[in-house]
Amino acid sequence: DVKVTQSSRYLVKRTGEKVFLECVQDMDHENMFWYRQDPGLGLRLIYFSYDVKMKEKGDIPEGYSVSREKKERFSLILESASTNQTSMYLCASSTRQGERYGYTFGSGTRLTVV
Amino acid sequence: AQSVSQHNHHVILSEAASLELGCNYSYGGTVNLFWYVQYPGQHLQLLLKYFSGDPLVKGIKGFEAEFIKSKFSFNLRKPSVQWSDTAEYFCAVIPFTGGGNKLTFGTGTQLKVEL
Repeated sequence: DVKVTQSSRYLVKRTGEKVFLECVQDMDHENMFWYRQDPGLGLRLIYFSYDVKMKEKGDIPEGYSVSREKKERFSLILESASTNQTSMYLCASSTRQGERYGYTFGSGTRLTVV
Repeated sequence: AQSVSQHNHHVILSEAASLELGCNYSYGGTVNLFWYVQYPGQHLQLLLKYFSGDPLVKGIKGFEAEFIKSKFSFNLRKPSVQWSDTAEYFCAVIPFTGGGNKLTFGTGTQLKVEL
């Protein structure tokens, strides 16, 4: 069974902390994505990557950065966590033909910033 | 900017009722269309997808969706819902530009099916 694994299901961090959210996929997918999910807003794209060491901004990149040193791993970094970054974070991956086959999602990390 | 609209934010139905969830998109070119479902406490799962051919597509668990290009719509339907269909449903779009495949989601529809 193919998988996208997010390292933490729940996280509680303090305002100002640097936060790392990790995502690993075992499908040899080229593309990886980070979304945040908020009630009434759906899923919004933060960053994505089409290849190792490549990254592109999504719709809401402010306050976030990413790292992709290996094909299977895509990390989301909150440089200085703020309370408005409390959210559910979803990682996804796809083949290069993601427009035909869709994405595979992880189970999500619910981050609370206090 | 491209957007996806789901006009029904919360829907409550009784078991065996018919379901139709609306989805409209604003992108003018060729698009690929998806419906995802998120059951309580679970990850997003693909229900069905359309990228070419027959505009009526069938997915898992008895769901289907119809692509109407002239209306920029991709509505999700099920003739008879079950209690286990209680979930949040997301419509999503990828424009077929060849320059990337970013999935843009609607705001979601929370479906509750009552016994």
